[in-house]
Amino acid sequence: EPEVTQTPSHQVTQMGQEVILRCVPISNHLYFYWYRQILGQKVEFLVSFYNNEISEKSEIFDDQFSVERPDGSNFTLKIRSTKLEDSAMYFCASSGQLNYEQYFGPGTRLTVT
Amino acid sequence: AQSVAQPEDQVNVAEGNPLTVKCTYSVSGNPYLFWYVQYPNRGLQFLLKYITGDNLVKGSYGFEAEFNKSQTSFHLKKPSALVSDSALYFCAVRPYYNQGGKLIFGQGTELSVKP
Repeated sequence: EPEVTQTPSHQVTQMGQEVILRCVPISNHLYFYWYRQILGQKVEFLVSFYNNEISEKSEIFDDQFSVERPDGSNFTLKIRSTKLEDSAMYFCASSGQLNYEQYFGPGTRLTVT
Repeated sequence: AQSVAQPEDQVNVAEGNPLTVKCTYSVSGNPYLFWYVQYPNRGLQFLLKYITGDNLVKGSYGFEAEFNKSQTSFHLKKPSALVSDSALYFCAVRPYYNQGGKLIFGQGTELSVKP
């Protein structure tokens, strides 16, 4: 069964450093998403991406964040200068159509020290 | 503001008994509704969805959910719980008019099924 994969599973970085979180969505999916979950809090939407551009972004997704689909398989989230409050589990998701269910990856736990 | 509420942080059920995990939402219009399950160290797994049509929808692993428009609820149910159903359950909503696909999640309910 196809699945969304994410690397790394755990990333530790120092405040102010850049990080890139990587995702490989399900191969025939067209819509891509990033969510995050701070420990003990709700899963929060960050951004959606379709046809090589951002469809929607949340207030959290400021200028420090960017997304890219550099090739036909990867989907990345970059945080330019990490802050302590960026520590969270980051989930990538993809869906075949806009109204279809989203399939989530296992997440990357980002720890900013 | 749009929101999803799961009023119970934890639900405890004996194996073989029916289970209900509650979800209510505050979203204008007719939203699309989803349930996801999360096992330890795993991502969110899709269980079922309501888009339109019959208010009772059936999903994976014997789960079902009932959409109640007047009560703005979408409770998850299963007639006979298994120990293996123990996990974290999330309700999610997408406003029908939202073109970005954003899901709004509840805070999650920990389901514990005891033998």
